[in-house]
Amino acid sequence: QLQLQESGPGLVNPSEMLSLTCTVSGGSIATNSYCWSWIRQAPGKGLEWIGHIYQSGSAYYNPSLRSRVAIVIDTSNNQFSLRLSSVTAADTAVYFCARQRADSSVLDPWGQGTLVTVSS
Amino acid sequence: QSALTQPASVSGSPGQSITISCTGTSNDVGAYNYVSWYQQHPGKAPQVLIYDVTNRPSGVSDRFSGSKSGNTASLTISGLQAEDEGDYYCISYTTSITWVFGGGTKLTVL
Repeated sequence: QLQLQESGPGLVNPSEMLSLTCTVSGGSIATNSYCWSWIRQAPGKGLEWIGHIYQSGSAYYNPSLRSRVAIVIDTSNNQFSLRLSSVTAADTAVYFCARQRADSSVLDPWGQGTLVTVSS
Repeated sequence: QSALTQPASVSGSPGQSITISCTGTSNDVGAYNYVSWYQQHPGKAPQVLIYDVTNRPSGVSDRFSGSKSGNTASLTISGLQAEDEGDYYCISYTTSITWVFGGGTKLTVL
């Protein structure tokens, strides 16, 4: 059964870079049938799509974050990563990774999520 | 891109049916049949209920159903149960090759 697990620092200083990794187990990330997504949820708020990446390395991002975000894929280690630069308190959120079928709207499964707090 | 519009809250009694709407534009909900619905309980990751407007993954109760008309997608829950209480989100593909979530709806079972 495919599982996703987010990892990374739980505390980031304002203006610095947030970096998270999603490790995929129980299946290969190197497939054309799926893309690999990042979603976040600020405390008490709704879900926000950040972006996703294909095994080819092609990535698509939320326009509101495009200038600060990058998603990279590492097929050799079955991982994909999120990098968000120049963070502020508004970037404090639970960050989820998820798999999405390339020809569908289904996001499944999801990681359990990891809370990242931006504060000095 | 603007979030899709969902009612902030809905409520119903056990056994009743409720419908949650998800309104977008001709550039997202109205453009493709790529709308899915997720249920989220406090402190948990969302779980898919409906995908591609009407499809239900195996293991999801047939009390959950989806539909779409024009720029509005809908999730209907029939035979409401206490365990259905939680937050519900829609997501749609857009003509900008991105995805956009709805603002979320809190379901209360009375």
